[in-house]
Amino acid sequence: KAGVTQTPRYLIKTRGQQVTLSCSPISGHRSVSWYQQTPGQGLQFLFEYFSETQRNKGNFPGRFSGRQFSNSRSEMNVSTLELGDSALYLCASSLVRGASTDTQYFGPGTRLTVL
Amino acid sequence: KQEVTQIPAALSVPEGENLVLNCSFTDSAIYNLQWFRQDPGKGLTSLLLIQSSQREQTSGRLNASLDKSSGRSTLYIAASQPGDSATYLCAVLGTDSWGKLQFGAGTQVVVTP
Repeated sequence: KAGVTQTPRYLIKTRGQQVTLSCSPISGHRSVSWYQQTPGQGLQFLFEYFSETQRNKGNFPGRFSGRQFSNSRSEMNVSTLELGDSALYLCASSLVRGASTDTQYFGPGTRLTVL
Repeated sequence: KQEVTQIPAALSVPEGENLVLNCSFTDSAIYNLQWFRQDPGKGLTSLLLIQSSQREQTSGRLNASLDKSSGRSTLYIAASQPGDSATYLCAVLGTDSWGKLQFGAGTQVVVTP
């Protein structure tokens, strides 16, 4: 079974631009979570989608948004990019939600550099 | 608010030694705890998941224990190899945080030949 895939793997943008990242979960998984990883803050939760609805959101400004499609694929969008948005963005999918067996499987990430 | 701490932040051992990595968390209302491995610039690889009702899980040379009442987990890696060099992260899934893993800062491990 294919793992979680993320595209693109690398992105370079300039301040003020916007960017869209894509995540395809493992087949059959309906929950998709997004995380931002930076050297200073570590791994921080952005949001979680389940059945096309955002169920949980972390403490990020409204410039960060996302959506999930009927096939469970998810996208996240960052508008008006700032230098501090440079990070590794990781997507994770899980089969079971809110249970002790809820295991999150991560993709390889998208490395975003903002110049 | 859940806080996850990993000690030590970095560890260097000679090949063949056993590794002991520690993780502590402040809120015991969790569904499970996961241990991950991350190689530089890469995504996270799930190593072990311990359900809140379990005390330990084993996979090959890896063994993880969980003491939910004291908020602690330990990952043991037996007979370390240079290929075990990576950053190891623990994360808890809270019962009130749908889909949100709370991560520690990680322990960077170097195994020298």
